[in-house]
Amino acid sequence: DVDLVESGGGLVPPGGSLRLSCSASGFTFRSSGMTWVRQAPGKGLEWVSSITGSGGSVYYADSVKGRFTISRDNSKNTLYLQMNGLSAEDTAMYYCAKALSTSWYSDQWGQGILVTVSS
Amino acid sequence: DIQMTQSPASVSASVGDRVTITCQASQDISDWLAWYQQKPGTPPKLLIYGASSVRSGVPSRFSGSGSGTDFTLTIDSLQPEDFATYYCQQGNSFLGLSFGGGTKVEIK
Repeated sequence: DVDLVESGGGLVPPGGSLRLSCSASGFTFRSSGMTWVRQAPGKGLEWVSSITGSGGSVYYADSVKGRFTISRDNSKNTLYLQMNGLSAEDTAMYYCAKALSTSWYSDQWGQGILVTVSS
Repeated sequence: DIQMTQSPASVSASVGDRVTITCQASQDISDWLAWYQQKPGTPPKLLIYGASSVRSGVPSRFSGSGSGTDFTLTIDSLQPEDFATYYCQQGNSFLGLSFGGGTKVEIK
């Protein structure tokens, strides 16, 4: 079975940095595009960033471009999200998700990890 | 990024009702659209992709239609487990994989 487990969340002050990790198992990780999606408390889903299986192409939402960096280590079956310059607006549950086949639709999701930006 | 506009924001319905949710893209996205269902405290679940392809294991009462800028999710004969929030998402990476604002389906 596919399993995606996020880690690295927590409380960080405004302006701070955090790196999220997503450990994957149960599928051929290097062949799958991966995505980060976030959800602020009581709000809707917001796409954050996506990366192809090889890591050769990355995509970002305008709201995080220049501050967040997505990457992956296929030897460790792990996806990352480096978040810099955090603000209160980045407070959210962050989900990693696996892409369906060659599309960018997310067919498997982790349980999410909470990031809180506050002084 | 493309803007995805869902309507209504919420709908009250009874078990057995047909529910229709619409999603409008700010520009032509062909059939690059997915629908997700999310229940409180859980991650979203993919229901429909490619605008009208029902994911394996999803009940046949769920269907999707549309292309270009206008899309519809229909739930025939609403069941108790269908009360949730539904999101559309456009699936073209070059245009930003943005989500709609969500539609909450509530019990009447």
